[in-house]
Amino acid sequence: GAGVSQSPSNKVTEKGKDVELRCDPISGHTALYWYRQSLGQGLEFLIYFQGNSAPDKSGLPSDRFSAERTGGSVSTLTIQRTQQEDSAVYLCASSLGRGSGETQYFGPGTRLLVL
Amino acid sequence: AQSVTQLDSHVSVSEGTPVLLRCNYSSSYSPSLFWYVQHPNKGLQLLLKYTSAATLVKGINGFEAEFKKSETSFHLTKPSAHMSDAAEYFCVVRSPGYSTLTFGKGTMLLVSP
Repeated sequence: GAGVSQSPSNKVTEKGKDVELRCDPISGHTALYWYRQSLGQGLEFLIYFQGNSAPDKSGLPSDRFSAERTGGSVSTLTIQRTQQEDSAVYLCASSLGRGSGETQYFGPGTRLLVL
Repeated sequence: AQSVTQLDSHVSVSEGTPVLLRCNYSSSYSPSLFWYVQHPNKGLQLLLKYTSAATLVKGINGFEAEFKKSETSFHLTKPSAHMSDAAEYFCVVRSPGYSTLTFGKGTMLLVSP
């Protein structure tokens, strides 16, 4: 079946502009995660959605970052007033449930470059 | 707290020789452990996972890993490397009660003919 999809695959923007990144999880998966992969920092957790519960935003690096998940499916990660240090690959993952042993399935990522 | 240390940033092997990628973890509770692989410009793919069942876990493409609680290790092995194994490998931990995965820094596996 279809995996996790993300759009756009690449995004180039100018410093100070806002960007929106989209994630379509696997159908039926209740948990959705956003991660950031950047040189020198490895893979970092950003935010986690589980069903209708309040999201875990503990990984968001600043208040310029926000995310929402509409209807328990599609999620959008928004970065306001982008900075050059926001340049990274943004990865979305989904899992069937919330258990620690649940496999997270990753999308191909959105490569963001802030000029 | 949970953390993962991948002991080698790069590992170079010749095709047909064994592969060993080392990983040590730290967790306050019995964790779940995963190995993911990332090929160039591709997404992360799960190789295998340990979730408190058998300590020797077999994954895809001939990879396996052994959970050793006394050594807090979860090393990834393969008897014979193939050129297509060249990629970056991530050791990952998730503890009960944690919302998220914690990734190691990654090990780049280079396979020469």
